[in-house]
Amino acid sequence: EIVLTQSPGTLSLSPGERATLSCRASQSVSSSYLAWYQQKPGQAPRLLIYGASSRATGIPDRFSGSGSGTDFTLTISRLEPEDFAVYYCQQYGSSPNTFGQGTKLEIK
Amino acid sequence: QVQLVQSGAEVKKPGASVKVSCKASGYTFTTYGISWVRQAPGQGLELMGWISAYNGDTNYPQKFQGRVTMTTDTSTTTAYMELRSLRSDDTAVYYCARKGTGRAFDIWGQGTMVTVSS
Repeated sequence: EIVLTQSPGTLSLSPGERATLSCRASQSVSSSYLAWYQQKPGQAPRLLIYGASSRATGIPDRFSGSGSGTDFTLTISRLEPEDFAVYYCQQYGSSPNTFGQGTKLEIK
Repeated sequence: QVQLVQSGAEVKKPGASVKVSCKASGYTFTTYGISWVRQAPGQGLELMGWISAYNGDTNYPQKFQGRVTMTTDTSTTTAYMELRSLRSDDTAVYYCARKGTGRAFDIWGQGTMVTVSS
């Protein structure tokens, strides 16, 4: 089973700042099958990024993903108030598909 | 539009079983699989398994093998997840999510709260 470790656990930033979230895998993620999800309180997760760097339908271009192998990054270029949430990475290239433990992005 | 609509909240006693439904609409049901993910209060996301809506193939993580059964009904485009021998630590929100081959979980249901309490 591939273990995903996200860092930091909590990130405190202000609107307008740049956010960089990290996801490290215990072994290489095949074909860059790495996704990022956003979850707000009381809501289901929403797919942001798939294939490590492709934005899902309707996702603003301030969200970008990068990386390959075992190291992946989600970048939010300029934080909007609605971006403060919990973010999860997930690998879906091998079974079982596993999630990271999440990064909480909070307003400073 | 493409959506997954889940059944309502459940309260169960320890040792009982629960069956959650997930009705799909807006797409060809048999073209995708359905994954089930749960989230305990204040915790992260935990995959419970996957079922192909095309042929019923399933894949369950070892943790849930023997205790979970996932099925689909193509006539009603509905997926089901049954969890048996419930314990208090099964209290969680249970989500279904659409998954295609080589694809991420792109559409999610609204979640079903399952509370296990004596």
